[in-house]
Amino acid sequence: GENVEQHPSTLSVQEGDSAVIKCTYSDSASNYFPWYKQELGKGPQLIIDIRSNVGEKKDQRIAVTLNKTAKHFSLHITETQPEDSAVYFCAPVGDSARQLTFGSGTQLTVLP
Amino acid sequence: EAQVTQNPRYLITVTGKKLTVTCSQNMNHEYMSWYRQDPGLGLRQIYYSMNVEVTDKGDVPEGYKVSRKEKRNFPLILESPSPNQTSLYFCASSLRSRGYEQYFGPGTRLTVT
Repeated sequence: GENVEQHPSTLSVQEGDSAVIKCTYSDSASNYFPWYKQELGKGPQLIIDIRSNVGEKKDQRIAVTLNKTAKHFSLHITETQPEDSAVYFCAPVGDSARQLTFGSGTQLTVLP
Repeated sequence: EAQVTQNPRYLITVTGKKLTVTCSQNMNHEYMSWYRQDPGLGLRQIYYSMNVEVTDKGDVPEGYKVSRKEKRNFPLILESPSPNQTSLYFCASSLRSRGYEQYFGPGTRLTVT
């Protein structure tokens, strides 16, 4: 099965700074690379995803970059705001998407 | 409103007393899944279902049962709960063609004493 490692497990940044979270995976058949955000007391919610034939995707202040050769992808958040404080999960998956393996999560805290 | 609902949201029970956590979605999704979330371990998949009457084991199926008799419902059954099943449980659903885009319920906090 897929082996997924996510780093760092915790990350504190000053408001306005950037944050980067990295996800490493093992299954070369993975070709969808989503990131989920989990706010306190809620279920995870998809915030951005990228397909394997794309190297980078941006959506306002968030972006995801993919290095398929090295089997890792990263979440980038620029101009962080207090509402970005949450736990973030990666979940690389293949075409069948039968089983999702989530990373262990990154607790991001944006300090005012 | 498109959503995944779970009931109950909180449950405290005793070892060995059978319980069911219900999950329902109103988005006509083929795929449904159950996860448990424990500190430091992320989300681990318990069971998933690709469609009605089709279920498969995830990474941590021991001690759990599921059924998929209707497309919208996917209950999780603990026939003899044990303290190591104390956890936060999430149900999720997606279109079969977009399995990477899962919609999660609000979670069920289960405590087994």
